[in-house]
Amino acid sequence: NAGVMQNPRHLVRRRGQEARLRCSPMKGHSHVYWYRQLPEEGLKFMVYLQKENIIDESGMPKERFSAEFPKEGPSILRIQQVVRGDSAAYFCASSPQGQGEQYFGPGTRLTVT
Amino acid sequence: EDKVVQSPLSLVVHEGDTVTLNCSYEVTNFRSLLWYKQEKKAPTFLFMLTSSGIEKKSGRLSSILDKKELFSILNITATQTGDSAIYLCAVENGGGADGLTFGKGTHLIIQP
Repeated sequence: NAGVMQNPRHLVRRRGQEARLRCSPMKGHSHVYWYRQLPEEGLKFMVYLQKENIIDESGMPKERFSAEFPKEGPSILRIQQVVRGDSAAYFCASSPQGQGEQYFGPGTRLTVT
Repeated sequence: EDKVVQSPLSLVVHEGDTVTLNCSYEVTNFRSLLWYKQEKKAPTFLFMLTSSGIEKKSGRLSSILDKKELFSILNITATQTGDSAIYLCAVENGGGADGLTFGKGTHLIIQP
């Protein structure tokens, strides 16, 4: 049973470009969470999705950030018009139910130059 | 706002030592507390605790929760260099957002 997959593992974008981060949950998991980890900071919750629905986006910045989890395919975290402050590691996690332990992917390290 | 504080922030010990990592929390509607180990990549799940006083154990690692005093400890006995990692504590809020609230982690270094 493959774990949570994320790609790309590393992404470099210039200021103003768009970043697309992908996450495929573990097989059988329909709940996906996105977290951001800044240097010297803990993981911060961004958004929680189930298939085709955003359940909670209370941790997501109001502008430039969006997330989706379509019926088919991976979940996508999209950052438009990136700025240097968006440089961070973005982790995706999945769970079989909407509570309890979450299983994390290897993360995408976004660097904005 | 839910809050998790871990201590110490970093710890250096010698192989074979026993370590205790601390996690205190504030959460409006407690559902569970979780421990993760993070090396260079994905945080890997260690334990989930929901009840006070019941120790969870996995090999040399063990953890216990005190819901009255709002803290948990993670013990590692007979440490090995492979235990070097960042240990993350998180709480799950049963009444609001379903994301976990994490502490900043304890950076543990085991010297040979």
